[in-house]
Amino acid sequence: GAVVSQHPSWVICKSGTSVKIECRSLDFQATTMFWYRQFPKQSLMLMATSNEGSKATYEQGVEKDKFLINHASLTLSTLTVTSAHPEDSSFYICSAREFDGRPPYFGPGTRLTVT
Amino acid sequence: GQQLNQSPQSMFIQEGEDVSMNCTSSSIFNTWLWYKQDPGEGPVLLIALYKAGELTSNGRLTAQFGITRKDSFLNISASIPSDVGIYFCAGRSRIRGSNYKLTFGKGTLLTVNP
Repeated sequence: GAVVSQHPSWVICKSGTSVKIECRSLDFQATTMFWYRQFPKQSLMLMATSNEGSKATYEQGVEKDKFLINHASLTLSTLTVTSAHPEDSSFYICSAREFDGRPPYFGPGTRLTVT
Repeated sequence: GQQLNQSPQSMFIQEGEDVSMNCTSSSIFNTWLWYKQDPGEGPVLLIALYKAGELTSNGRLTAQFGITRKDSFLNISASIPSDVGIYFCAGRSRIRGSNYKLTFGKGTLLTVNP
């Protein structure tokens, strides 16, 4: 099956710094990638949807200047958490869609801890 | 926005027992998906349902797309310890330009006692 990877799998950063998380589709071209955030014991909350070569569409309440998303190629999307704060600590998960009609595949997630 | 009500929130069962969980929505969905998430990992797709009334199996798992398109259930037969995890339902509505946007249920935590 299709494989989606994320890097890093976990990261610890200091408050005020920026962190970049990569999401790659390893064996298919992803026209659309999605970024989710999951707090402990909660469900996945969609943050934004990105299409290759265009600006991301953010969900209501998600600050686009804080969570920068770039989808520069059909196999790579990045999420940059800028000026991170402890409340940004969470599990960030991406998913990628191969073509319309099939469900997206999820990456393994990135655990972000902001100290 | 759309919401999915998933129940039960948690289940604690003995190995070998059957399990059933369901999701209901106030809105119609065109696709129902069931995922399993292990601790510290991303969700893995178990079953995808595309038509109202559709009943699909994947090994010991069986899921159905409700006739009203507002509900779905997942059954696990003869549970084993590795079935432990969080099960999520997710629905997709064909909103123009939605880019396959999914709405997730809150999850069902399954614990299997050997």
